[in-house]
Amino acid sequence: DGGITQSPKYLFRKEGQNVTLSCEQNLNHDAMYWYRQDPGQGLRLIYYSQIVNDFQKGDIAEGYSVSREKKESFPLTVTSAQKNPTAFYLCASSFRNLGQLHPSGANVLTFGAGSRLTVL
Amino acid sequence: EDQVTQSPEALRLQEGESSSLNCSYTVSGLRGLFWYRQDPGKGPEFLFTLYSAGEEKEKERLKATLTKKESFLHITAPKPEDSATYLCAVQRMTTDSWGKLQFGAGTQVVVTP
Repeated sequence: DGGITQSPKYLFRKEGQNVTLSCEQNLNHDAMYWYRQDPGQGLRLIYYSQIVNDFQKGDIAEGYSVSREKKESFPLTVTSAQKNPTAFYLCASSFRNLGQLHPSGANVLTFGAGSRLTVL
Repeated sequence: EDQVTQSPEALRLQEGESSSLNCSYTVSGLRGLFWYRQDPGKGPEFLFTLYSAGEEKEKERLKATLTKKESFLHITAPKPEDSATYLCAVQRMTTDSWGKLQFGAGTQVVVTP
């Protein structure tokens, strides 16, 4: 079945450590995204990528880094510069940029199951 | 700046007790409004896209409607399996192709037998 796989599901980080969250999709989607979810807040965009070897900052990119070396993969690194990294991280993908309609008429985000990062 | 406000924050229903969730939005030119369902500890799952005022979409016990300022998600005769957090998101009409979504904080729905 096609979908998005995020790993690990739970991750603990010590102060000063960098950690990397994995995101792999087999949907043949061009665009991929990372969101952060905190209690009582809407999903906030960290980074997005429209094509391989290209990515753009979202609303809260400080303290995070990404790479897009393969169409299927979009890993997120949470660096020690991120002051409050404890959160639920969601990876998503879409057929193309959300501004472009899918031939079916709907171009929507498909999400992974998420990774919960806790700072010790 | 685009804003999305969902109300109520939480809703507790008896099985069979119909109710509505509200999503109020402020956006300069709406391209689309999206509803997602999120179960605890999981990623959101797509439910509906609405594009223009007056549009309605249905799926099982759920019905989404859209006006120029808000959207409603009606849950008719809910069952315990409808318990989830329901997220609303809007997409602005822009000249760039990227089409960023602005999400609300969600409404947590609990349906008890």
